[in-house]
Order: sequence, then C-alpha cells, then structure tokens
Amino acid sequence: QKEVEQNSGPLSVPEGAIASLNCTYSDRGSQSFFWYRQYSGKSPELIMFIYSNGDKEDGRFTAQLNKASQYVSLLIRDSQPSDSATYLCAVKDSNYQLIWGAGTKLIIKP
Amino acid sequence: DAGVIQSPRHEVTEMGQEVTLRCKPISGHDYLFWYRQTMMRGLELLIYFNNNVPIDDSGMPEDRFSAKMPNASFSTLKIQPSEPRDSAVYFCASSPGTLAGYTGETQYFGPGTRLLVL
Repeated sequence: QKEVEQNSGPLSVPEGAIASLNCTYSDRGSQSFFWYRQYSGKSPELIMFIYSNGDKEDGRFTAQLNKASQYVSLLIRDSQPSDSATYLCAVKDSNYQLIWGAGTKLIIKP
Repeated sequence: DAGVIQSPRHEVTEMGQEVTLRCKPISGHDYLFWYRQTMMRGLELLIYFNNNVPIDDSGMPEDRFSAKMPNASFSTLKIQPSEPRDSAVYFCASSPGTLAGYTGETQYFGPGTRLLVL
C-alpha cells in the first residue's frame, strides 16, 4: 500500500516566522510532488509542484524535495494569519497515480 | 473561466433515497476526478475519467455508487440507496492532463457538494 504521510498538527507558528510542513512517501519511484492548500470549508487549491531534487521558490513559498530520503517539505516565510489552513501533500507515484496525504493543519498566531 | 462547477452545493436527504451529484469540468480538460472528503478518512479518490472514459474506479466504496461522463462537459456521481455513512463533502476536479503522465498533473477542484444523509 503506497502511502503519503503528514503530521496532522495543528502546527502553531507565530506571525512573521517560518512555517515548515513535512511529507514523506513510501514509493521510491514517485515522480512529482504537489502541495495544496485548503481553507476551512473550501476546496483544495494548488500552491506549488516540484519534480527535481532541491529547492523551488515561489514568493514566500519554498518546496524542498529529497528523493533519496523520500521527503518533501513546504516552507512558508514571513507567515501571515491568512496562511492558516490545512496543507495537503500529494505525490504522483510510479504508476502515475496521485496519492494524497491526510493534511497538516497550520495555525498562524498574530 | 468559470472553473469547475458542481451542483448542488448542499444536499440533505434521508437514508434510502437516491442522490445525484453533478459536475461540469473546465473546458478543454482531459481528466475528471471524483473525490470524497471526511474528517476521518481525509481526501479519497473515488473514480477518474480520461476523455470521458472511466479509467480507475477502485476507490468507489461499493455498488451503491456509480459515476458517468456522457460527454466532455458533464459528469454525475450517483448514490443509490444512500446511507448515513455516505455523509461527506464530494469534490469534482479536472485537469488538463500531461503527455508524460497517466493521470492529470495540476488538478482544479470544484467547490464541493456537502451531503448529509439522515
């Protein structure tokens, strides 16, 4: 059973600090990795995707991928209260199927 | 673009009744996905279509669930008969697909249908 694991949280971070969200996956042949944000009562929306080892930056968001460790993370710099949401990690595995994590609830405290 | 459209947005029904959820994907997208989300089980893929053809329905919980996509702009998810444990938020998502992958890359979600079965 291929799995994507996330800490359910909640993860509480003070405003202005860096929020670090982590995700591990079991299928070593996984190919692409996605971070979705879901506000309470809303639908998931894509924040970032990453395919290659290393870092990918987009504004205040940085995705980090380490395929050897089967680990992907999302860093949010200068966290804002509006970043408070559940963050879902999704991994496209070696069979090209998208496997979803259960999500981490992030709370940014003013 | 109007995005993925789902109807109804809310549905309250009684156990044993038939429920039909509807979805209009983004025009030009090749893939359509039906998901169910609950607090206990998170986001679960029920079924997905590629070019109107069902590709993988292994996530459909049981025979009470069925999905169709008669054309590129419309899909339905039907539950008959409904049970209280079917209460959840049902999302439809579409994707433009990719040349390299078997499933769509970025998925665009509709607003969801909140189903309550009494």
